[in-house]
Amino acid sequence: DAKTTQPPSMDCAEGRAANLPCNHSTISGNEYVYWYRQIHSQGPQYIIHGLKNNETNEMASLIITEDRKSSTLILPHATLRDTAVYYCIVRGQYNFNKFYFGSGTKLNVKP
Amino acid sequence: NAGVMQNPRHLVRRRGQEARLRCSPMKGHSHVYWYRQLPEEGLKFMVYLQKENIIDESGMPKERFSAEFPKEGPSILRIQQVVRGDSAAYFCASSPGTSEETQYFGPGTRLLVL
Repeated sequence: DAKTTQPPSMDCAEGRAANLPCNHSTISGNEYVYWYRQIHSQGPQYIIHGLKNNETNEMASLIITEDRKSSTLILPHATLRDTAVYYCIVRGQYNFNKFYFGSGTKLNVKP
Repeated sequence: NAGVMQNPRHLVRRRGQEARLRCSPMKGHSHVYWYRQLPEEGLKFMVYLQKENIIDESGMPKERFSAEFPKEGPSILRIQQVVRGDSAAYFCASSPGTSEETQYFGPGTRLLVL
């Protein structure tokens, strides 16, 4: 299963776009990229997922590079409530029902 | 449409006691997953169940831990003879069982072993 690499922390000014990178250079062709976030110690919240094409929903946009080795989660207008740990997860090819949570990126949105 | 429900939200046990954690999946979801999160760490997969079947328990400790998802009622994660190292947040997730398999998480149960 592909592993992911994320920066441990990032800062973002309130109202600005937050761009969270993720490296998944060993991803396989049929593996999806998922993003979740965890606010304080609450349960992880699903944000978005994609396979090859860029995706957008009411929460965020997901940009996946053409070679699929990396992706970026974009929160277009970050608010203080977006302060959380963001996890980039590659759904396992052969154990597709397990989600492997790494250390994630702690996003600090500042006023 | 209620989300994944877990109870209790907080559970305190003394060493040697049993802990029972319950999870009710989202309506229409037939797949349940349990994860454990130790302090300052990410979530670790424990077990994946469908109704009356354990599909993958590769993340479960070999002893003292068991899980079930009966035909009727919630999924149960059972920890026998708890030790202090079992203190953690336990999260349950559910998915609809279709090919997409996005998992939706509950609020978790915080277990504290004294």
